[in-house]
Amino acid sequence: KQEVTQIPAALSVPEGENLVLNCSFTDSAIYNLQWFRQDPGKGLTSLLLIQSSQREQTSGRLNASLDKSSGRSTLYIAASQPGDSATYLCAGSGYSGGGADGLTFGKGTHLIIQP
Amino acid sequence: NAGVTQTPKFQVLKTGQSMTLQCAQDMNHNSMYWYRQDPGMGLRLIYYSASEGTTDKGEVPNGYNVSRLNKREFSLRLESAAPSQTSVYFCASRPGGTGVYSNQPQHFGDGTRLSIL
Repeated sequence: KQEVTQIPAALSVPEGENLVLNCSFTDSAIYNLQWFRQDPGKGLTSLLLIQSSQREQTSGRLNASLDKSSGRSTLYIAASQPGDSATYLCAGSGYSGGGADGLTFGKGTHLIIQP
Repeated sequence: NAGVTQTPKFQVLKTGQSMTLQCAQDMNHNSMYWYRQDPGMGLRLIYYSASEGTTDKGEVPNGYNVSRLNKREFSLRLESAAPSQTSVYFCASRPGGTGVYSNQPQHFGDGTRLSIL
């Protein structure tokens, strides 16, 4: 059974800093790994998806990496802004075909960017 | 540009009552999912549907039933609600399929906040 762990559970940094959120997973037979953002009282917004054959993906100030051999993924946020304050979730997809794969989620990192 | 729409947004039930949570997507996606989110537990998969006419159990299916009414709609039913089912319920969808469609992200609705007294 896949288990996903996120460290730290909470993080507070001043605006402008670069920061890294960590995600680890137990089953290396992961098909893809996704990072989501969740704002209070809202649903999840997909940020990045890294396929198992890829090492990283970038979108704007966000960069996510995937190392299947070590069971780790990181989300790098450059030049953080107060608007980046949210809970960030990583999730692993373990089914390799048919498109029916449900996600196994970590518990999230609650991020606060201080103005 | 609705995406995934869930109704209702909030609901309070008494123990033993039944209700159906509705989910509809307008993106022509094949696969749909129901998750619950509880404090300290993260999101857990309840049921999913790979395509119209098929459904399968996820990690925590007990106490729930689902119906994939058509390609757009996937409902979640609580037959006899229990306080342990107090949670936020999220519906999600993705294109599904194989090949280039197999690595597309899931799109989530805004959730239904359900309290059972």
